[in-house]
Amino acid sequence: LAKTTQPISMDSYEGQEVNITCSHNNIATNDYITWYQQFPSQGPRFIIQGYKTKVTNEVASLFIPADRKSSTLSLPRVSLSDTAVYYCLVGDPLYNQGGKLIFGQGTELSVKP
Amino acid sequence: GAVVSQHPSRVICKSGTSVKIECRSLDFQATTMFWYRQFPKQSLMLMATSNEGSKATYEQGVEKDKFLINHASLTLSTLTVTSAHPEDSSFYICSGELNTEAFFGQGTRLTVV
Repeated sequence: LAKTTQPISMDSYEGQEVNITCSHNNIATNDYITWYQQFPSQGPRFIIQGYKTKVTNEVASLFIPADRKSSTLSLPRVSLSDTAVYYCLVGDPLYNQGGKLIFGQGTELSVKP
Repeated sequence: GAVVSQHPSRVICKSGTSVKIECRSLDFQATTMFWYRQFPKQSLMLMATSNEGSKATYEQGVEKDKFLINHASLTLSTLTVTSAHPEDSSFYICSGELNTEAFFGQGTRLTVV
């Protein structure tokens, strides 16, 4: 599984757009990039997954450059409830890794009023 | 999405006793479930892979005789922490895999006193 590197923490204010970048220089051809959100004392929750270019859902957008060595999770107009830890994971979901996940350190996002 | 439920959500036990944590997939069958442990301010660490009808696979450094895993049905995996000690106090999280996607339980906070 490719190793990922994220900022340990980020601060933002309500209503701002937040971009969290993850580096994964050793990403393999079959690897997908998946982001999870975790609130204190809860299990992680899936946010978004992508392979290349851009993916958007009702919660966030994921930008992946052509070389796929990094990715950026974009949270539009954050609110206080978006305060959480965000994890970037890289792996091949078709190789029995959809469930077996290796978590990195994550990014602790703090949204202030 | 699929739902995974853990029970109990929190438990306090005396040192030397054993504690059982249940992980249930409520609306899907999970032939494979995963157990993670998370210490305060740290990331999730994969402990073991629970396979229905066969022995669990433990990650390096995880004592299989201390953390007993049973996966007797397609919807239930249990983790028993035997002879618990204060250093076993942690947040234990399970996940079930459905169509290569992971769905997490809400976690169990174990405190050993």
